[in-house]
Amino acid sequence: AQSVSQHNHHVILSEAASLELGCNYSYGGTVNLFWYVQYPGQHLQLLLKYFSGDPLVKGIKGFEAEFIKSKFSFNLRKPSVQWSDTAEYFCAVNARRGSTLGRLYFGRGTQLTVWP
Amino acid sequence: SAVISQKPSRDICQRGTSLTIQCQVDSQVTMMFWYRQQPGQSLTLIATANQGSEATYESGFVIDKFPISRPNLTFSTLTVSNLSPEDSSIYLCSVEDLRRGYNEQFFGPGTRLTVL
Repeated sequence: AQSVSQHNHHVILSEAASLELGCNYSYGGTVNLFWYVQYPGQHLQLLLKYFSGDPLVKGIKGFEAEFIKSKFSFNLRKPSVQWSDTAEYFCAVNARRGSTLGRLYFGRGTQLTVWP
Repeated sequence: SAVISQKPSRDICQRGTSLTIQCQVDSQVTMMFWYRQQPGQSLTLIATANQGSEATYESGFVIDKFPISRPNLTFSTLTVSNLSPEDSSIYLCSVEDLRRGYNEQFFGPGTRLTVL
């Protein structure tokens, strides 16, 4: 079965600091990769996704992630965080099968707290 | 994007009772899923809700405990039966539909269940 590891359970940063959240997965085949974000009191929403092509993907709100196949990693980055980035971040992977994306495997999540 | 609503948003239930959670989507979608997020844990897929047929359950989840209905392409229910405190979790509905270009999973707001 696939599994997803997020290395940091809770990250605390000051505004304007740079952010990198680690995500590693275990699966030998072709995967689709996602980062979801959940702001306080809100739904889970997609931050960015990688299906194929350029391994550096850009998402909303200045976030980006790099897929490194040899390391089975999909780390999330942002050069300068803001107080409004305080949220929980989930990495997820799946293996596309036919006409459906199939089930998503989620990491445990990283709570990011940004101090103003 | 798909807009998903869930009812109830939260509930407190007694041990041994059942809770039925409703998931309503604003458009017809092919795939509907039910996830569980236990405190401090990642999201885990319970089952895929199939329209017009029995749900497909993941390992560790059974129909007697988590009966699911999906009478049409916009609605599904999840019942959590014979509740115990271990069932205290957030339950989320999600949807995808590659044919409509929904090549990501959209999530509902979740139902927070507390079992006393």
